[in-house]
Amino acid sequence: EADIYQTPRYLVIGTGKKITLECSQTMGHDKMYWYQQDPGMELHLIHYSYGVNSTEKGDLSSESTVSRIRTEHFPLTLESARPSHTSQYLCASSDQGFKAGGPYNEQFFGPGTRLTVL
Amino acid sequence: SQQGEEDPQALSIQEGENATMNCSYKTSINNLQWYRQNSGRGLVHLILIRSNEREKHSGRLRVTLDTSKKSSSLLITASRAADTASYFCATARLMGAQKLVFGQGTRLTINP
Repeated sequence: EADIYQTPRYLVIGTGKKITLECSQTMGHDKMYWYQQDPGMELHLIHYSYGVNSTEKGDLSSESTVSRIRTEHFPLTLESARPSHTSQYLCASSDQGFKAGGPYNEQFFGPGTRLTVL
Repeated sequence: SQQGEEDPQALSIQEGENATMNCSYKTSINNLQWYRQNSGRGLVHLILIRSNEREKHSGRLRVTLDTSKKSSSLLITASRAADTASYFCATARLMGAQKLVFGQGTRLTINP
């Protein structure tokens, strides 16, 4: 079944640790995104990719980095986690194209990773 | 700056009543989308309305778009307890439509 997956779902780590949040999708989408969301707040785009070997920084500055070596995989890495990185991280993908009536670009979201840095 | 702003920030109604949420935005758009987020989960796409459309329906959902006022509304009719969630509008700009800008969301609670 086509879907988008994120692991781990929950992560509690100490300050200074290196972490990688995994995101994979089986829908063959070219475009993938990482958002940061604090509880009850809006989503902020921190990284996006329009295809393999393409990555861009989003609207919200982030100390994290991303890579896109395979279409289906878009991991996010924090080299040295800090308490200010505590948040929920959401991964999404989209397959922008055209349907009858015009373009579409709805995004499909993973379940999120809730990160807590102590 | 935030593209989408929603009001109210929180809405609590009785089951069976209709719920209306509003979204305002600032720049010209290609389309506007509404998403639902259950607590602690990812977002689920509900409906997309293009800039040349004024109204769209999907099941119990009705979305309107007024590009002259740069605003949209989401109406959920005959609400159910399962509709309890946060609802976000997201706009795709004319230039760079691949990126969406999300509003701050409306927290909807349906009381049984």
